[in-house]
Amino acid sequence: GAGVSQSPRYKVAKRGQDVALRCDPISGHVSLFWYQQALGQGPEFLTYFQNEAQLDKSGLPSDRFFAERPEGSVSTLKIQRTQQEDSAVYLCASSEGGPAAFFGQGTRLTVV
Amino acid sequence: KQEVTQIPAALSVPEGENLVLNCSFTDSAIYNLQWFRQDPGKGLTSLLLIQSSQREQTSGRLNASLDKSSGRSTLYIAASQPGDSATYLCAVRPGYSGGSNYKLTFGKGTLLTVNP
Repeated sequence: GAGVSQSPRYKVAKRGQDVALRCDPISGHVSLFWYQQALGQGPEFLTYFQNEAQLDKSGLPSDRFFAERPEGSVSTLKIQRTQQEDSAVYLCASSEGGPAAFFGQGTRLTVV
Repeated sequence: KQEVTQIPAALSVPEGENLVLNCSFTDSAIYNLQWFRQDPGKGLTSLLLIQSSQREQTSGRLNASLDKSSGRSTLYIAASQPGDSATYLCAVRPGYSGGSNYKLTFGKGTLLTVNP
């Protein structure tokens, strides 16, 4: 596609539910990043993939967060047993290499 | 740990006015600094990227400056228009080689409203 595509755009989850957020990066982009943006805050780094390898997951807030990119293209961010503090916009970005260059529109997660 | 601060948090100006947004960072060992625009419900769009060796970058009505030694950057918007209304974020990339120099550290942003 022409840009980074994320789905769903909006997700409402009841506390305790599991959610899965999808990211389709720009075709051919090796690097893929997930960032979390809480209301009124700047984005914060969650995790980084180079192709299918997850090279850095230091920003994942807890072991309830899990990300994968099994074939080196589409990535999924999974959050288990969602809690209210997980409410945020989750941004995916990709690049040919180096830091995030092109960002998707984000998925707004609301945990009620 | 790098910290990025943006002031003001919000700014409202009449159309046509020139304005300056400020960004400061605590660790001057940066590789580059980037200004992004974020529209409601949308992702981030890169506006300008300044390498650590550069002093400024220009694109149309936008001019970004960088004073690495003092840990400051400004984004100057000339002749503001209602379409400029958005949140402006600055982000720094660490300067050390290897390790995690792909991580961007963002400020909280400045919410700009340009009134017709």
